[in-house]
Amino acid sequence: QQPVQSPQAVILREGEDAVINCSSSKALYSVHWYRQKHGEAPVFLMILLKGGEQKGHEKISASFNEKKQQSSLYLTASQLSYSGTYFCGTPRGGGNKLTFGTGTQLKVEL
Amino acid sequence: DAGITQSPRHKVTETGTPVTLRCHQTENHRYMYWYRQDPGHGLRLIHYSYGVKDTDKGEVSDGYSVSRSKTEDFLLTLESATSSQTSVYFCAISSESTEAFFGQGTRLTVV
Repeated sequence: QQPVQSPQAVILREGEDAVINCSSSKALYSVHWYRQKHGEAPVFLMILLKGGEQKGHEKISASFNEKKQQSSLYLTASQLSYSGTYFCGTPRGGGNKLTFGTGTQLKVEL
Repeated sequence: DAGITQSPRHKVTETGTPVTLRCHQTENHRYMYWYRQDPGHGLRLIHYSYGVKDTDKGEVSDGYSVSRSKTEDFLLTLESATSSQTSVYFCAISSESTEAFFGQGTRLTVV
């Protein structure tokens, strides 16, 4: 089942913080986060592992909620380059097959 | 950048014709995937491969077939294209439990 992301869209001023949520009907064991700019391929940002360990971007962090049915992505001191659509992906089965959420459009303005 | 190339990048085809999209990698990654991306649906998995000649269906596999005869190549075939298959198709590669690298995408229009 496809994860649900919220908000669907958000507009920020440069320097502001943002939180993007990814919710699942089942407990999440890991969550992958990707960003896609218009007309481009999705690009890996980070992986959040079940113990809370994170691999990836220095200025972006993520966490699970208590029941691990939701992951939140934290963007601090946003920059213009952060604009794009953010997708969470949850593994289903082996081999790193990901089921992606519907995306959150983020726009950072001056 | 990961060595992954999709071809063609753009294609317009007529309803009922067969179409083959190619994904080529130079990273020797075990896993390869085909996703389609449509507005409101995000990225949806069509088929994936976990080795040469080892493939399996994803969540939206009807009307599609795949083949992987070499580690570096993963082909996606639309047996008889329909307008509902108009989409942007992305190939991706990965090793076990690591990040996926995506190709630049193929924009397919079925008229």
